[in-house]
Amino acid sequence: EVQLVESGGGLVKPGGSLRLSCAASGFTFSNAWMSWVRQAPGKGLEWVGRIKSKADGGTIDYAAPVKGRFTISRDDSKNTLYLQMNSLKTEDTAVYYCAYAFDIWGQGAMVTVSS
Amino acid sequence: EIVLTQSPGTLSLSPGERATLSCRASQSVSSNYLAWYQQKPGQAPRLLIYGASSRATGIPDRFSGSGSGTDFTLTISRLEPEDFAVYYCQQYGSSPWTFGQGTKVEIK
Repeated sequence: EVQLVESGGGLVKPGGSLRLSCAASGFTFSNAWMSWVRQAPGKGLEWVGRIKSKADGGTIDYAAPVKGRFTISRDDSKNTLYLQMNSLKTEDTAVYYCAYAFDIWGQGAMVTVSS
Repeated sequence: EIVLTQSPGTLSLSPGERATLSCRASQSVSSNYLAWYQQKPGQAPRLLIYGASSRATGIPDRFSGSGSGTDFTLTISRLEPEDFAVYYCQQYGSSPWTFGQGTKVEIK
């Protein structure tokens, strides 16, 4: 079964850091372009960033609101995608989804940034 | 950055009616790399259409996508009760990838 499972969400103070993980199974993770998408409470979808497969250059792109603060990485030996979030702001509060080919989505991880 | 504008914001229709949703891009979407998603409360988005007009696996044929360049349309030919949800378009032709703000299809 093709599956993505996020973990690592939680409550963090403004200025703090958090790392999300996304464990993949059921497909060849090393060949996959993987994305992070977030959704603030009651709001629409917002693309966070994407990492290409190493075979396609491993290029990483980010949305402007997170560039310089968030880092996407992957460990193909562990079939796991990561999102390192630093200098968190209250406006980063959202459900964070990882996605493969936009056809397979995780269940989402809630990140709350609040003092 | 390509800005996607969806219209209308809300569409009030009855089951059995036809729904037409619009997505307009601020500049041409490369290779018509335009996708449509359906999202219901508390759920992850579900891919409906990719490449502007190709249905994703398992998507009923009452869903169809059309358009090219800057103007795209999602049509639901006859609304079923399970189709009432929020729909988003997304372009993945140029970075940064972007989503539209969504169209809510509600029961009239």
